[in-house]
Amino acid sequence: GAGVSQSPSNKVTEKGKDVELRCDPISGHTALYWYRQSLGQGLEFLIYFQGNSAPDKSGLPSDRFSAERTGGSVSTLTIQRTQQEDSAVYLCASSPPGLAGTFGTQYFGPGTRLLVL
Amino acid sequence: QKEVEQNSGPLSVPEGAIASLNCTYSDRGSQSFFWYRQYSGKSPELIMFIYSNGDKEDGRFTAQLNKASQYVSLLIRDSQPSDSATYLCAVSPYNFNKFYFGSGTKLNVKP
Repeated sequence: GAGVSQSPSNKVTEKGKDVELRCDPISGHTALYWYRQSLGQGLEFLIYFQGNSAPDKSGLPSDRFSAERTGGSVSTLTIQRTQQEDSAVYLCASSPPGLAGTFGTQYFGPGTRLLVL
Repeated sequence: QKEVEQNSGPLSVPEGAIASLNCTYSDRGSQSFFWYRQYSGKSPELIMFIYSNGDKEDGRFTAQLNKASQYVSLLIRDSQPSDSATYLCAVSPYNFNKFYFGSGTKLNVKP
């Protein structure tokens, strides 16, 4: 079946502009995660959704970052007034409902490469 | 102190050898442990997960967990050049509301 999709695949923007990144999770997956990966680094957890709710937003780096999820499906990560340090690959992952043996297993999308000039 | 620590490598092993990748974590409340493989320029893909102390085997891969020592490892038997990638260790509390990833260990399997 279809995997997690993300758009755009690449985004180049100027410092100070807003950007919107989109994630389409696997159908039926209730949990959705956003991560950021800088060059040569591990994944930095940003936010988690269970359904449309985000119980903990403390992973968002600053108040310029926000995320929402609608209909228990598509999620959007918005970065306002982008800065050069926001340049990274933004990854989205989804997880299925809590069936035995699948708890916490994440399926990643291809990512959005963001470059802020 | 980082939540999850991994040796960045690179770890070089000859084809057919056993590769041993290690990870330590700081939160004793962690309940779930995952190993992901990430090829250069690609997204992570799940290899294995482990929840209980001891060993868990899946094909050529064995995950080992020692909660008392806060240590998790991944063994890759009969390593192949196609195993050359960065291996990421991830740790989560019981409710999966957050995941902490290590910075990854780069593995090179030499033909």
